[in-house]
Amino acid sequence: DAMVIQNPRYQVTQFGKPVTLSCSQTLNHNVMYWYQQKSSQAPKLLFHYYDKDFNNEADTPDNFQSRRPNTSFCFLDIRSPGLGDAAMYLCATSRDRREGEQYFGPGTRLTVT
Amino acid sequence: AQSVAQPEDQVNVAEGNPLTVKCTYSVSGNPYLFWYVQYPNRGLQFLLKYITGDNLVKGSYGFEAEFNKSQTSFHLKKPSALVSDSALYFCAVRDYSSASKIIFGSGTRLSIRP
Repeated sequence: DAMVIQNPRYQVTQFGKPVTLSCSQTLNHNVMYWYQQKSSQAPKLLFHYYDKDFNNEADTPDNFQSRRPNTSFCFLDIRSPGLGDAAMYLCATSRDRREGEQYFGPGTRLTVT
Repeated sequence: AQSVAQPEDQVNVAEGNPLTVKCTYSVSGNPYLFWYVQYPNRGLQFLLKYITGDNLVKGSYGFEAEFNKSQTSFHLKKPSALVSDSALYFCAVRDYSSASKIIFGSGTRLSIRP
């Protein structure tokens, strides 16, 4: 089945130790998104790629970076995680800019110790 | 600016009863509206969307939503609730300033008691 896959599902990192979360998709969608979600709140968009075009949200901290080496994969890098970065990180895809619905992966729960 | 509001943090319904999860929207043009569901420790799942056409939209798991332009509402409904419907529900609207993006409401936790 076509899907959005996130690895790992649970990640524990130490304060200040860089961490990378990965997302892959078999849907062949053009758009990929990274969201941060805390405590059953609404997901907060960090950035998205339309193909190779990177779009950063204005309030996304510089500590968060992203890479999309090809259509199928997208990475979220947190350069120096703080305690406040502990959250669920959700990857999503969308076929194109006009298709509103997004398809989400299961998420990676990040713990910072 | 586009926005959606979910006025209820929590909705409690007995199994077998009809359920409604409320959503109102504010957009400057024609709205693209969505409902998503999130089960514990999972990503969001797309339930249904309204773009144009019939005001009653049918989606996954027996859910439907009614678009009401005069009341600027897009309430999610199901005729007979199941315990397995217990989850967090998000209403969303497409962001016209950036077509790639959608704006989520604050979420409503639906609890179905046996």
